[in-house]
Amino acid sequence: EPEVTQTPSHQVTQMGQEVILRCVPISNHLYFYWYRQILGQKVEFLVSFYNNEISEKSEIFDDQFSVERPDGSNFTLKIRSTKLEDSAMYFCASSTQNYEQYFGPGTRLTVT
Amino acid sequence: GEDVEQSLFLSVREGDSSVINCTYTDSSSTYLYWYKQEPGAGLQLLTYIFSNMDMKQDQRLTVLLNKKDKHLSLRIADTQTGDSAIYFCADYSGGYQKVTFGIGTKLQVIP
Repeated sequence: EPEVTQTPSHQVTQMGQEVILRCVPISNHLYFYWYRQILGQKVEFLVSFYNNEISEKSEIFDDQFSVERPDGSNFTLKIRSTKLEDSAMYFCASSTQNYEQYFGPGTRLTVT
Repeated sequence: GEDVEQSLFLSVREGDSSVINCTYTDSSSTYLYWYKQEPGAGLQLLTYIFSNMDMKQDQRLTVLLNKKDKHLSLRIADTQTGDSAIYFCADYSGGYQKVTFGIGTKLQVIP
């Protein structure tokens, strides 16, 4: 069964550094998303991406964040100048229709 | 803004039925979901229900939706130890492209 994959599974970085989280969505999906879950809190929407542009973003998704689909298979989330409060589990999701989103296993980001 | 609430913890004996409850606030929700998260794993889409339905059954899973009270439940029949996980209630309203999640209910199945 096709699934969303994410790499790395765990990323440790120092405050102020840039990180890129990678996702390979399901191959025939057209919509892509990033969510995050800070430990002990709810899963929160960050951004949705369709037709090579951002279609929706939350208040959390400020200028520190960017997304890209650099080729036909990868979907990346870049966090510039990471802060301690960026430590969270980051989930990528993809869908053919907006309402049926399939999630990857997540990347745990630890900022020290 | 929209919100989804659910209890944090449920403990049941193996073989019993589990019922996990959820309430939501967004009256324009079009789809409501149950996701399952096992330790160290991602969010698995278990089942979903369209807002014009009041029940959906899928093998051991029964989803009940009371749209008037904005209440969603997930019943797991004959609960097994492999059902131990965190279950997330979530909704989608269509106007925005995001899924809004509850905090997750940790289901503990006692052998």
